[in-house]
Amino acid sequence: EAQVTQNPRYLITVTGKKLTVTCSQNMNHEYMSWYRQDPGLGLRQIYYSMNVEVTDKGDVPEGYKVSRKEKRNFPLILESPSPNQTSLYFCASSLYGPIEAFFGQGTRLTVV
Amino acid sequence: QKEVEQDPGPLSVPEGAIVSLNCTYSNSAFQYFMWYRQYSRKGPELLMYTYSSGNKEDGRFTAQVDKSSKYISLFIRDSQPSDSATYLCAMSDGNAGKSTFGDGTTLTVKP
Repeated sequence: EAQVTQNPRYLITVTGKKLTVTCSQNMNHEYMSWYRQDPGLGLRQIYYSMNVEVTDKGDVPEGYKVSRKEKRNFPLILESPSPNQTSLYFCASSLYGPIEAFFGQGTRLTVV
Repeated sequence: QKEVEQDPGPLSVPEGAIVSLNCTYSNSAFQYFMWYRQYSRKGPELLMYTYSSGNKEDGRFTAQVDKSSKYISLFIRDSQPSDSATYLCAMSDGNAGKSTFGDGTTLTVKP
């Protein structure tokens, strides 16, 4: 089954404690992206990757890092999480850029 | 001002009604227009994708793009309770990896 898998689904952490949210896709897609979704602000793009070792900033990259060492994986790293990073995070992938994207099931992160 | 503005809703209609969901945008470079449906506690799923202007139909769903007015619409015919969800429009210029989403319109279809 074609899918984008995120882990964990739910996470509560404390300010400043580094964390990683994993994202993996099994469709051999070149493009992957991370979004955060907040009430009243919609889905906002954090980072995206057009291919292995190629990443670029989206609209809200501050406080986040990503890496793309393999085609199937695109982890999101929060080196020093803060409460304003409390949000619902989605990973997405597609064959050709940010079009016809498949989304993961989401990771709800709470930073206290 | 946001690059993409979406009618905020919420929208509540009786079963069988025709639903119109709309977005406007300001970036004339946008060439790709998508509609996603998001059920509660789930990730968005792609409904339809249109390149440039025109109409596209898929079953009960029709996507319409008017680039001259910078306006896109999604029509749902014979709406069903299972169509109750949040609908997100999204746009891209296709040259870079960025896409911009509307805030979403929540639709409830009452039996």
